[in-house]
Amino acid sequence: NAGVTQTPKFQVLKTGQSMTLQCAQDMNHNSMYWYRQDPGMGLRLIYYSASEGTTDKGEVPNGYNVSRLNKREFSLRLESAAPSQTSVYFCASSERTGSTEAFFGQGTRLTVV
Amino acid sequence: EDQVTQSPEALRLQEGESSSLNCSYTVSGLRGLFWYRQDPGKGPEFLFTLYSAGEEKEKERLKATLTKKESFLHITAPKPEDSATYLCAVIMIKAAGNKLTFGGGTRVLVKP
Repeated sequence: NAGVTQTPKFQVLKTGQSMTLQCAQDMNHNSMYWYRQDPGMGLRLIYYSASEGTTDKGEVPNGYNVSRLNKREFSLRLESAAPSQTSVYFCASSERTGSTEAFFGQGTRLTVV
Repeated sequence: EDQVTQSPEALRLQEGESSSLNCSYTVSGLRGLFWYRQDPGKGPEFLFTLYSAGEEKEKERLKATLTKKESFLHITAPKPEDSATYLCAVIMIKAAGNKLTFGGGTRVLVKP
């Protein structure tokens, strides 16, 4: 089982460049999430999608946009990358929002120079 | 303010030396508490969900318990392969969507 798949695994961007992080899940989950993980800050929620067709801001949404393309796919876009967006990004999915466990992808390590 | 605090930040154990990790939370209404394991360069891997005080879950050498203000992850007779960062996360009843609030994690190193 693939679970949650993220692409790319590594990326280096120059300040001001744009890019999209891709995420797909094959568990037929309704809810999907994007987190960033920084040393000393733990995992913080950027955006989430409770179900296909809906998206909502999390704790740190500034500088990001998301698209829930279909039930399987949830992408994260950086329109104009900044060094402060250097981080490890994780996509996750869960059966539904509320009280069910989330399953995470392997992460994308992004460096903005 | 809702907070999740894990202690200690790091733990060095000898193989076979049992210990406990703490996750304390100050939230107004807990819907669920989750434990994850994270290996270097990988995403968090789900371990347990606890919903109510007094609940316990076990998996191999790991046992998670929950009280009204904290959770413990007990590692019994650990092996080197138990070395990882252990993350605690909570969902509050009032949380919009499924906002998991994570603690900072405890890095566990088990030496042979």
